[in-house]
Amino acid sequence: QQPVQSPQAVILREGEDAVINCSSSKALYSVHWYRQKHGEAPVFLMILLKGGEQKGHDKISASFNEKKQQSSLYLTASQLSYSGTYFCGTDTPPGAQKLVFGQGTRLTINP
Amino acid sequence: DAGVIQSPRHEVTEMGQEVTLRCKPISGHDYLFWYRQTMMRGLELLIYFNNNVPIDDSGMPEDRFSAKMPNASFSTLKIQPSEPRDSAVYFCASSLSGAQPQHFGDGTRLSIL
Repeated sequence: QQPVQSPQAVILREGEDAVINCSSSKALYSVHWYRQKHGEAPVFLMILLKGGEQKGHDKISASFNEKKQQSSLYLTASQLSYSGTYFCGTDTPPGAQKLVFGQGTRLTINP
Repeated sequence: DAGVIQSPRHEVTEMGQEVTLRCKPISGHDYLFWYRQTMMRGLELLIYFNNNVPIDDSGMPEDRFSAKMPNASFSTLKIQPSEPRDSAVYFCASSLSGAQPQHFGDGTRLSIL
């Protein structure tokens, strides 16, 4: 089952914050986050494992709520370089050695 | 370290022709994944290998698609015969394990006329 991301697109001004959500109808073991810039390959950001942990990566952090079967990606004080499409990938079924990616959230950061 | 290497970067061919996409994973990575990306369907997993063995090919759309991994450093995705609806960007990715970060190649942009 493909996870559902929201919003589908968001436009911000440099310095603003954004939250991208990823929800699954199935139980999750882990959630992966990737960013893809136009015309390039997806690039790994972070993995969150079940346990509700929150991880950080510069000014990008994420949380994983196992009970709610969802993860959120937080981008604070956004920079122009944050523009791109963000994908969450979930292991379905839990513990599977493969990912199912959401449809992506397109983030545009304007000066 | 060299990343995942895919070839060709671009391929334009006519309907009915055979297309072969190639991938060299990162050395030491036991998992190799083939994805297809389109605007309509997003990023879809086609097939993945563990230690050169195909584990799950449930994403392969039709019998026209086939994939092989003859050794740890090389994999191919073949489409025969190709159709216009196969036009997409095809990515190869590798990882140490299924739960580890996947490293993507630059992709092959395929256009079937």
